[in-house]
Amino acid sequence: GAVVSQHPSRVICKSGTSVKIECRSLDFQATTMFWYRQFPKKSLMLMATSNEGSKATYEQGVEKDKFLINHASLTLSTLTVTSAHPEDSSFYICSAAGLAELQETQYFGPGTRLLVL
Amino acid sequence: DAKTTQPTSMDCAEGRAANLPCNHSTISGNEYVYWYRQIHSQGPQYIIHGLKNNETNEMASLIITEDRKSSTLILPHATLRDTAVYYCIVSPDNQGGKLIFGQGTELSVKP
Repeated sequence: GAVVSQHPSRVICKSGTSVKIECRSLDFQATTMFWYRQFPKKSLMLMATSNEGSKATYEQGVEKDKFLINHASLTLSTLTVTSAHPEDSSFYICSAAGLAELQETQYFGPGTRLLVL
Repeated sequence: DAKTTQPTSMDCAEGRAANLPCNHSTISGNEYVYWYRQIHSQGPQYIIHGLKNNETNEMASLIITEDRKSSTLILPHATLRDTAVYYCIVSPDNQGGKLIFGQGTELSVKP
């Protein structure tokens, strides 16, 4: 099946700094990528939908100026958590939907665990 | 809000079939039923999806009722590695459709 990678897999940062998370589709072109956040023992919460070459669409309650999303190519989307605070500590997961007629709707990355001190 | 209802947790004996139910009574005609699972601290993994007919692949079988208001995911011979949270999701199959995750069912496979 198609592979989606995320980098880094885990990151620790100081409060007030910005952190960038990369999501790559390794063997297919992704017109649409999605970003999710997951708190401990909770389900995945969709944050935003990212289309290549256009502005991301954010879900209600998600601050677009805090969570900057860039989808510059068909294989890469980035999520930047700006001015991170401890409450931003979470598991961030991306997924990608491909151009071709794929069996699955979306392929998920392995996730990035962010800890803000 | 998620459009599906699932039991919070289930247990299954290793080697036995695991039958995970899902209620989606408000499903629309163009919406598919998707099943994903998430093993602890990993990204979700696709299992199977279907529209009307029952489906089977190397991982599982999906049984959808005739009125499409509910479905059952069947893992025919559960192993310890099948311990995970299983999510049932309804969504249009348009390759760009966002998936709204509910709380899922935490399946524990026990020796």
